[in-house]
Amino acid sequence: QKEVEQDPGPLSVPEGAIVSLNCTYSNSAFQYFMWYRQYSRKGPELLMYTYSSGNKEDGRFTAQVDKSSKYISLFIRDSQPSDSATYLCAANNAGNMLTFGGGTRLMVKP
Amino acid sequence: DAGITQSPRYKITETGRQVTLMCHQTWSHSYMFWYRQDLGHGLRLIYYSAAADITDKGEVPDGYVVSRSKTENFPLTLESATRSQTSVYFCASSPAPSGGLYEQYFGPGTRLTVT
Repeated sequence: QKEVEQDPGPLSVPEGAIVSLNCTYSNSAFQYFMWYRQYSRKGPELLMYTYSSGNKEDGRFTAQVDKSSKYISLFIRDSQPSDSATYLCAANNAGNMLTFGGGTRLMVKP
Repeated sequence: DAGITQSPRYKITETGRQVTLMCHQTWSHSYMFWYRQDLGHGLRLIYYSAAADITDKGEVPDGYVVSRSKTENFPLTLESATRSQTSVYFCASSPAPSGGLYEQYFGPGTRLTVT
């Protein structure tokens, strides 16, 4: 079993919808949780990160971590066609390297 | 331009050949990483380096060699390429971790095909 799991999708939504992307993880020692966005044939780019449990908001994006259920979420409000990409979650604990999920492909249709 | 670059962007090689993928960053980040990305496996860490002349294995190091004589460069060599090494390879760099957080910045990737 992978330490960080994601549904590969694709997830298809209409423009303007609220998108919920999710990951589960198994390592209770994980402390940092990150979301990367990867456009087709490009490298991943860091969207945002959170430390331990709680929410973090950045514009239309909100990252949420629930350590009790080992669940990581990324919400995108007012989704745009330009949000169409693969979203990768990642986690690590201090002193160790990032562990990535397999990514969820999102398609936002005009 | 500042950033992280990889070369070549595309490479086709034959089984058994030696191939070197190059990575260069201009941020003077201390950490550098090599990942491979395959369908169904996501990003898997091959090797990483905490500083010049310091390297360590990641999750899938077999068949790969790295070196880091200068902070800005981190080449990855496939000593004898195999078809299973057909993949997209990403280099990343990060400043020294702050409280355990690695803010990794990725290059554009090298698409390698081994025939």
